[in-house]
Amino acid sequence: AQSVTQLGSHVSVSEGALVLLRCNYSSSVPPYLFWYVQYPNQGLQLLLKYTTGATLVKGINGFEAEFKKSETSFHLTKPSAHMSDAAEYFCAVNGGRRALTFGSGTRLQVQP
Amino acid sequence: EAGVTQFPSHSVIEKGQTVTLRCDPISGHDNLYWYRRVMGKEIKFLLHFVKESKQDESGMPNNRFLAERTGGTYSTLKVQPAELEDSGVYFCASSQGDREETQYFGPGTRLLVL
Repeated sequence: AQSVTQLGSHVSVSEGALVLLRCNYSSSVPPYLFWYVQYPNQGLQLLLKYTTGATLVKGINGFEAEFKKSETSFHLTKPSAHMSDAAEYFCAVNGGRRALTFGSGTRLQVQP
Repeated sequence: EAGVTQFPSHSVIEKGQTVTLRCDPISGHDNLYWYRRVMGKEIKFLLHFVKESKQDESGMPNNRFLAERTGGTYSTLKVQPAELEDSGVYFCASSQGDREETQYFGPGTRLLVL
C-alpha cells in the first residue's frame, strides 16, 4: 500500500521568501517520488522526481526536494518565491505499481 | 514533439446522459493512464493501459465507466449513464518504459454533470 500526505492545503508566502511545501509518504517498497505543478487552466507539469541515487533532487524553476527515508519525507523548497510560482503543487508516490498515488495538493499563493 | 492531448476540454451534460472523453498520448508511449480529480479531493488513479491491454483497472469506480485503447494509440473513456458524482477533472497521462519514467499529463477534461 502507498499513500501521500501533504500538510497544508494553502500556503502563502511573500515574494522573495522561502517556499517550503511538505510531503510525507508511505510505501511498502522503495518509493519513487514526484512533485508536479498545475498552473491555472493547464495540466500537471513535472517539477522533479526521485528514483535512486542522490537524495537531493533539483528540478525546474529553481525548486528542489530532498528524499529523507528515515523521516519518510520529500519536502519541496525554493529559496526565493516569485509571483509566477503561484500554482497548485502535488506530491506523488509510485510504490511498486505503475499508478501514481497523489497527495491532496497544496495551493501556493505569493504575495507582492 | 506534441504533448498529451485531451478532448473535449469541457463537457456539461445532464444526469443519465453519456459522455465520451478522448486522450491522445505522446507518440511512442506504450503506457497510458487515466486519473480523476473530484472537486476538493485528491487526484485518483482510474486505470492503466500497456499498448491496447488493460494492465490495471483497480481504480475504476463502477461499471458505468468503460475505457478502451484502440490499436494501442488513443484512448477513450465513456461514462454511461453519467451521475452527479462523476463531475470532476479527468486527466490522461502517458509514459515510456518502467515505473521510474515520468508520466506526462494532458490538460484534463472538466466534466460537469447536472
